[in-house]
Amino acid sequence: GAGVSQSPSNKVTEKGKDVELRCDPISGHTALYWYRQSLGQGLEFLIYFQGNSAPDKSGLPSDRFSAERTGGSVSTLTIQRTQQEDSAVYLCASSLQSGRPDTQYFGPGTRLTVL
Amino acid sequence: DQQVKQNSPSLSVQEGRISILNCDYTNSMFDYFLWYKKYPAEGPTFLISISSIKDKNEDGRFTVFLNKSAKHLSLHIVPSQPGDSAVYFCAASLGGSQGNLIFGKGTKLSVKP
Repeated sequence: GAGVSQSPSNKVTEKGKDVELRCDPISGHTALYWYRQSLGQGLEFLIYFQGNSAPDKSGLPSDRFSAERTGGSVSTLTIQRTQQEDSAVYLCASSLQSGRPDTQYFGPGTRLTVL
Repeated sequence: DQQVKQNSPSLSVQEGRISILNCDYTNSMFDYFLWYKKYPAEGPTFLISISSIKDKNEDGRFTVFLNKSAKHLSLHIVPSQPGDSAVYFCAASLGGSQGNLIFGKGTKLSVKP
């Protein structure tokens, strides 16, 4: 079956502009996660969804970052007034459910470059 | 403060030999550990996992060992193949109501023919 997909694969934007990143999880997966990987770093957790609600937003770095999920499926991560330090690969993952140990399956990521 | 540490940024191994990737953690509440492999320009791919109630899990050429008293886990790949060359990430989960994974910074493995 289809894996996690993300779009766009690459995004170059100017400082101060808003960007939207999209994630389509594996069908039937109720849990969805956003991470980002900055150059030379490990994956940093941003937010996770169980269904359409986000029990844990603790990883969002600032109020310029927001995310939503609709219909228990597609999620969008929005970054407002982008800054150069937002440049990173943004990765989405999904799993059957959260709240128990479960394998997360990752999409290919969106590489965001803020000039 | 890093809760999951991979202290070797890189490792080079000859084809056919064993690769051993190490990972240390600080939080004794972690109850599930995973290894992911990542090729350039791709997302991480799940490799193998282990629950904290076990000390070993094996899947083909890949074996993960967990030493809870030392807060240490390792991934053994034997025999190593050139296609195993990638960045390997160790990740840990607190389980319960928190589903997110906490990742190490990764170890780049190079397997030379």
